[in-house]
Amino acid sequence: EPEVTQTPSHQVTQMGQEVILRCVPISNHLYFYWYRQILGQKVEFLVSFYNNEISEKSEIFDDQFSVERPDGSNFTLKIRSTKLEDSAMYFCATSIRDFKETQYFGPGTRLLVL
Amino acid sequence: GDSVTQMEGPVTLSEEAFLTINCTYTATGYPSLFWYVQYPGEGLQLLLKATKADDKGSNKGFEATYRKETTSFHLEKGSVQVSDSAVYFCALSSGSARQLTFGSGTQLTVLP
Repeated sequence: EPEVTQTPSHQVTQMGQEVILRCVPISNHLYFYWYRQILGQKVEFLVSFYNNEISEKSEIFDDQFSVERPDGSNFTLKIRSTKLEDSAMYFCATSIRDFKETQYFGPGTRLLVL
Repeated sequence: GDSVTQMEGPVTLSEEAFLTINCTYTATGYPSLFWYVQYPGEGLQLLLKATKADDKGSNKGFEATYRKETTSFHLEKGSVQVSDSAVYFCALSSGSARQLTFGSGTQLTVLP
């Protein structure tokens, strides 16, 4: 069964460093999302992306964050200058046709900012 | 804004016990409702969903009914198994991009 994959599974970085989290969507999926879960807290929506544009973003998704689909397969989340409070599990999700479809989640990337 | 309130955990049950995890929501418009499950070390998997009032979602013996009058979507299973041990998340989708709003998750442990 096709699945969403994410790399790396774990990343440790120093505060102020840039990180790029990668997601490979299911091949025929067109709608993409990033969510994050700070340890012990709820899963929170960050951003949705369709047709090479951001569709919606939350208050969390400030100027330090960006997303892109650089090569037609990967979907990336970049954090330009990481802060301690960016430490969290980051989940990519994708859906097939439109925003009403079920979202399929990847296994997540655990980011630790020191 | 939209929100989901989920039963506090953790929940510990014996195998074959009856399970209920409560979920209530606040939303504008007509959200779709979901239960996702997260097994240890894995991502979120869709367990079941309901897209309109009075719909019942079901999968793997789990059920939940979309109750608009009580704004609830409680998860039930008649006889849990050890393999059901996981974290269960209630969620709703809304907004133009149908982004998911999650509850806080309920850790379920089933003992043999």
